Amino acid sequence: GDSVTQMEGPVTLSEEACLTINCTYTATGYPSLFWYVQYPGEGLQLLLKATKADDKGSNKGFEATYRKETTSFHLEKGSVQVSDSAVYFCALSRAGGTSYGKLTFGQGTILTVHP
Amino acid sequence: ETGVTQTPRHLVMGMTNKKSLKCEQHLGHNAMYWYKQSAKKPLELMFVYNFKEQTENNSVPSRFSPECPNSSHLFLHLHTLQPEDSALYLCASSQSLAGGDNEQFFGPGTRLTVL
Repeated sequence: GDSVTQMEGPVTLSEEACLTINCTYTATGYPSLFWYVQYPGEGLQLLLKATKADDKGSNKGFEATYRKETTSFHLEKGSVQVSDSAVYFCALSRAGGTSYGKLTFGQGTILTVHP
Repeated sequence: ETGVTQTPRHLVMGMTNKKSLKCEQHLGHNAMYWYKQSAKKPLELMFVYNFKEQTENNSVPSRFSPECPNSSHLFLHLHTLQPEDSALYLCASSQSLAGGDNEQFFGPGTRLTVL
């Protein structure tokens, strides 16, 4: 079945440091890939997405590139802020079959950014 | 109200109680979801409704009973729960189940504690 694996957290960084959160997936066909973010006390919000190979999703300074050859969708940001402290989830969605529209999530990575 | 709302935000109940969680989406979407978020576990999809019809029950125990009276409202009825059911219950909605590019919008969740 489909699965998503994220790097273990928690990740602790100083403000303005570079961020990479690794995400790899297992799925048949051509899934769409997503990064969701969950701020303390809130639900999940879509951060960015990519729907086909080599697409780059970007939002709020975050980027991720859909790499089909390595089945990866790593999240990157060049300079993090304290306000980026949150839990980040990688997810995939496949069209068709019994999994249509269903999101499969990774386990989440806690990011804490210190001033 | 905008987006996806959930009530109550916090709920404490005994194992013999009966309670209900409510979700309402103001986005004109046709698909709604219940997820369970436990500490140190990936998000677990519980139920999916599409145009008020249940399309997925992810092997959820019968002590959880969903209800979807219309495309805007989703309930989760709870009875004789166990302490291990304590978790954050998240509701989400999406335009439909069609296609893999299926962005889901999440509510803030209900924090449930079973004593």
